[in-house]
Amino acid sequence: DAKTTQPDSMESTEGETVHLPCSHATISGNEYIYWYRQVPLQGPEYVTHGLQQNTTNSMAFLAIASDRKSSTLILPHVSLRDAAVYHCILRVFSGGSNYKLTFGKGTLLTVTP
Amino acid sequence: EAAVTQSPRSKVAVTGGKVTLSCHQTNNHDYMYWYRQDTGHGLRLIHYSYVADSTEKGDIPDGYKASRPSQENFSLILELASLSQTAVYFCASSGLGGQQDTQYFGPGTRLLVL
Repeated sequence: DAKTTQPDSMESTEGETVHLPCSHATISGNEYIYWYRQVPLQGPEYVTHGLQQNTTNSMAFLAIASDRKSSTLILPHVSLRDAAVYHCILRVFSGGSNYKLTFGKGTLLTVTP
Repeated sequence: EAAVTQSPRSKVAVTGGKVTLSCHQTNNHDYMYWYRQDTGHGLRLIHYSYVADSTEKGDIPDGYKASRPSQENFSLILELASLSQTAVYFCASSGLGGQQDTQYFGPGTRLLVL
């Protein structure tokens, strides 16, 4: 399975812009990069995804390296509600019609007031 | 906003007993998934389904059965619950299941097997 590498944890302060890195050196050409986040006692929440071009939505900006071997999720002006485990996931085609999500441990983002 | 609900939200079961976890989605999605999450670890896919009355095995199907009686409902069945099945179980749904299709998750069911 395609794998990603993320730091175990990062710390930030409210109002800062946070850059969450993800390495995916063996990514295939047709694999999308997905980001989900999860807070304790809740299910994962979709954040964003991309293939080659940088993408942006109301939650975050996703910067994808030109060789696609790494990406960075950028969270502008974080608040306490952004504290969560952030998962960088490659969308893998696993046969039939199943495009499963393979979750790792992710990056625990701590936000302090 | 996508809506996936799960019941029960938590359950205590005895070893060897039968456990049924239920999932309901109102997104009109074709695909539904069951994942388990162990403390400190990521999610792992147990079973999934892309049409009613049909289910497929995921990465860790042993000890679990799944049932998809309708597009909206997807159940996970533990016929003989074991201690090792203590975990949090998440259900998810998605549209066509393509590479760009976003999976929306339910709140999870915390299962404790004693």
